[in-house]
Amino acid sequence: EAEVAQSPRYKITEKSQAVAFWCDPISGHATLYWYRQILGQGPELLVQFQDESVVDDSQLPKDRFSAERLKGVDSTLKIQPAELGDSAMYLCASSFSGADYTFGSGTRLTVV
Amino acid sequence: AQSVAQPEDQVNVAEGNPLTVKCTYSVSGNPYLFWYVQYPNRGLQFLLKYITGDNLVKGSYGFEAEFNKSQTSFHLKKPSALVSDSALYFCAVRDTGFQKLVFGTGTRLLVSP
Repeated sequence: EAEVAQSPRYKITEKSQAVAFWCDPISGHATLYWYRQILGQGPELLVQFQDESVVDDSQLPKDRFSAERLKGVDSTLKIQPAELGDSAMYLCASSFSGADYTFGSGTRLTVV
Repeated sequence: AQSVAQPEDQVNVAEGNPLTVKCTYSVSGNPYLFWYVQYPNRGLQFLLKYITGDNLVKGSYGFEAEFNKSQTSFHLKKPSALVSDSALYFCAVRDTGFQKLVFGTGTRLLVSP
C-alpha cells in the first residue's frame, strides 16, 4: 500500500534554532497538506499545495514558517527561529481526488 | 465554514461492549465526512468516509458510522470493543473551498479489559 513518507520522526531543537521537516507524498498526488497538531488537539492546516503552488497558507505564521514544493513532488516545511510554542506533531498528507486523504506518520517536534 | 464537533473528550467502554463516538457537523451543501484514528506518536489512520449513498458506512477494523442528515450527525460505532481500539479518534469534514480536511477536537477512547 502506498504511503506518505515523512522525516525525521522525532526532532528536538533548541529555541531560536532552525528546523526542517520533509514529506514525500504518494506518487501522482497533486495536492499536499501540512498540518500542525498540538498535543490534545485536532490537526490544523498550515499550508496546502496544488502541484508546486500554494493554494492556502492563511494559517501559516509567515514570519517564521516557510514551505516549498519546488517540483510539485516532495515538500519541505521550515521553522526559523523555533519557539517553545512550536512543539507539536507536524503531519503531512496527500490527496489525488479530494475524496481520499493519506497521512504520513508525522514528525514530533520538541523545542527546548 | 465547514466544521465538526466532537462533544466528548473521552469515552470509556468495557471490552466486548458496543461503542459509540459522537460527531456532529455543520456544512453548506453535501458533506464529505471522515473518521480517523491516531495511536500515540503516530499519524492518522483512515477508518471510513461518507460521500454519498448508503447512510451506514462500513470501514476498517470492524468500525462503521451512520450518517444522519436530519440530526447532522456522523457517529462512529463498533458492535464489540477491543482493548486495542483504545486510541484517539478524529472526525473530519472536507471544506468546500480548497478541499482541505477540517478536524474536530478528538475523542479519546479507553477500552478496559
